[in-house]
Amino acid sequence: ETGVTQTPRHLVMGMTNKKSLKCEQHLGHNAMYWYKQSAKKPLELMFVYNFKEQTENNSVPSRFSPECPNSSHLFLHLHTLQPEDSALYLCASSQGDGELFFGEGSRLTVL
Amino acid sequence: AQSVTQLDSQVPVFEEAPVELRCNYSSSVSVYLFWYVQYPNQGLQLLLKYLSGSTLVESINGFEAEFNKSQTSFHLRKPSVHISDTAEYFCAVCNTGKLIFGQGTTLQVKP
Repeated sequence: ETGVTQTPRHLVMGMTNKKSLKCEQHLGHNAMYWYKQSAKKPLELMFVYNFKEQTENNSVPSRFSPECPNSSHLFLHLHTLQPEDSALYLCASSQGDGELFFGEGSRLTVL
Repeated sequence: AQSVTQLDSQVPVFEEAPVELRCNYSSSVSVYLFWYVQYPNQGLQLLLKYLSGSTLVESINGFEAEFNKSQTSFHLRKPSVHISDTAEYFCAVCNTGKLIFGQGTTLQVKP
């Protein structure tokens, strides 16, 4: 138990669907992150939020839309995805010192 | 730009043998260095970190890493591995609050 909870753990969606991934942290951290983990590739930083404000968008396609309503919750809204978007999406939180606390990830499959 | 290189994608080793997972980074400024471990079907967990002070850092489960500034390396070692150490290991460098990961090394411990 890392203090970071992600739901759902598994998601299968078609290319025309709209779905959302949810992340919640109970650690009192100020920063939250979305990473994409694909097979045989390094972890890709997607978005960073500090105190609910987006501070990093790593050239992520607009079909991924993040939302951070407060410091404890982070969402990733998904729409019109492509099969190559299938991956493990990891949420993490941090107090800003570089040490990240990760959730167990949401395994996404796009058909 | 900073980068992290993990020189081995897979390291097979027999139980109770020593192991070294190599990591080199490129950065012209002071950095914080981390090793994370990812067990099957789980998110990443911090294994150990170097922020400052002693260049040799240790984890609670017998791993250690040594920061070598002249060689820009942060190799991970364990004198005797267990089956339970089978996992993916990621080296990461942090500068200005951004964490950059290496490609990962799969440690396969055989009985």
